[in-house]
Order: sequence, then structure tokens, then C-alpha cells
Amino acid sequence: GAVVSQHPSWVICKSGTSVKIECRSLDFQATTMFWYRQFPKQSLMLMATSNEGSKATYEQGVEKDKFLINHASLTLSTLTVTSAHPEDSSFYICSAREDGNTEAFFGQGTRLTVV
Amino acid sequence: DAKTTQPPSMDCAEGRAANLPCNHSTISGNEYVYWYRQIHSQGPQYIIHGLKNNETNEMASLIITEDRKSSTLILPHATLRDTAVYYCIVRERGAGSYQLTFGKGTKLSVIP
Repeated sequence: GAVVSQHPSWVICKSGTSVKIECRSLDFQATTMFWYRQFPKQSLMLMATSNEGSKATYEQGVEKDKFLINHASLTLSTLTVTSAHPEDSSFYICSAREDGNTEAFFGQGTRLTVV
Repeated sequence: DAKTTQPPSMDCAEGRAANLPCNHSTISGNEYVYWYRQIHSQGPQYIIHGLKNNETNEMASLIITEDRKSSTLILPHATLRDTAVYYCIVRERGAGSYQLTFGKGTKLSVIP
């Protein structure tokens, strides 16, 4: 299957700072990328969907000004958690889909801890 | 997407077949059954999907009942590395239906 890479795998940041997470499709062009969040012992929750060159579509309850998503190229999407707080500590996972392919492939996830 | 029901947890002895059930009684005719798994602290991994026929690949087999209201994922010879949470998802396979809605899944523990 196609390879999706996330960076970093884990990050610790201070409360009030911003953190950027990258999601790259390594061997295909990702027309659509998805960002999920997973709290401990819970399932994945979709945060937003982004199409290359367009503004992201956020799920209900997800603050677009706090979770900034950029999908400026067909191989890279970034999620920036602005003014992070401890309650933003979570496992963030991206997935990517190539145009013409209905399957999406997942990155390995990023563990964010805000202290 | 139609809802699915899975047992919260299951145990399986190493080397034996692991049979993971999933109920999807409200599935519609154009919805597929997908299975993903998530090993601890990793992103989900695609396993298999099907519409109405049974499917097999190098990872697993998928058995879908004739009325399509339930299915079973079979890992023929479970290993310790198969310990993971397994998600059964039904969704329409077509334009605009790329999102996956994850339920709670089944936590499979493979025991030595």
C-alpha cells in the first residue's frame, strides 16, 4: 500500500506555544487528507478534511482557529495546534487519499503532550 | 455511515485462528464492510474490505453473511503481533465517501 509519513512521532511542548505536525504522502499525490485525534482509550475522531489548494472542512466542535490546517501541495499537509493547552494532549493521526482511489492510508501518528 | 457493533475485547491463543465478529444490521446495498486495525500507539492499518462475497488476502479472510447484516474477520494463525484494536466500518464506496467513522472496535489480545 501507499506510504504516509507523519513528523514528528512525538512532541512535548509548553502550554501556550504552538506545534506543527507534518503529514506527507511519500509515493503518491494526496488530493485529500484527513486529520484525526485520539484520546487515551478512545477511538479516532475526525477533526477535519482538507483538499489540496482549498480550505479545510472542520468537524463540528473543532476550532478552526486553534487547529490550523494547510494543504498547499499534493504531498504535504500540516496541522498546527496554536496556543496549546494540556487538554490538547492527544494522539494526532493523518490519512491521505489519492484522486481516483477511494482508499485512504494512515500515518503513524504523532503523540502530543502539552505541559 | 451505518453503525456497527463489535465485542469490546477478545482473547486468542497464539497460532490459533482469531474470529472477530461484527454486526451491521442497518447496512445499505451500496455500503461496503471495511476492517482496519490499530496496534498500540500507531496509525490504523487497512486489512480487508468486501461487499457481499467472501474475501481473502495475505492478512485475513472476510466472511459476510448472505443477508449482509454481519461479518467475521478471520486471522487464520494469530501471532503476538496481531494484538491490536480491530475496527469494523461500513461505508459507501464512491465519490465523496472517503471519510471513515471509527467505533470502539474489538481489542484482540493474542496470548502465548
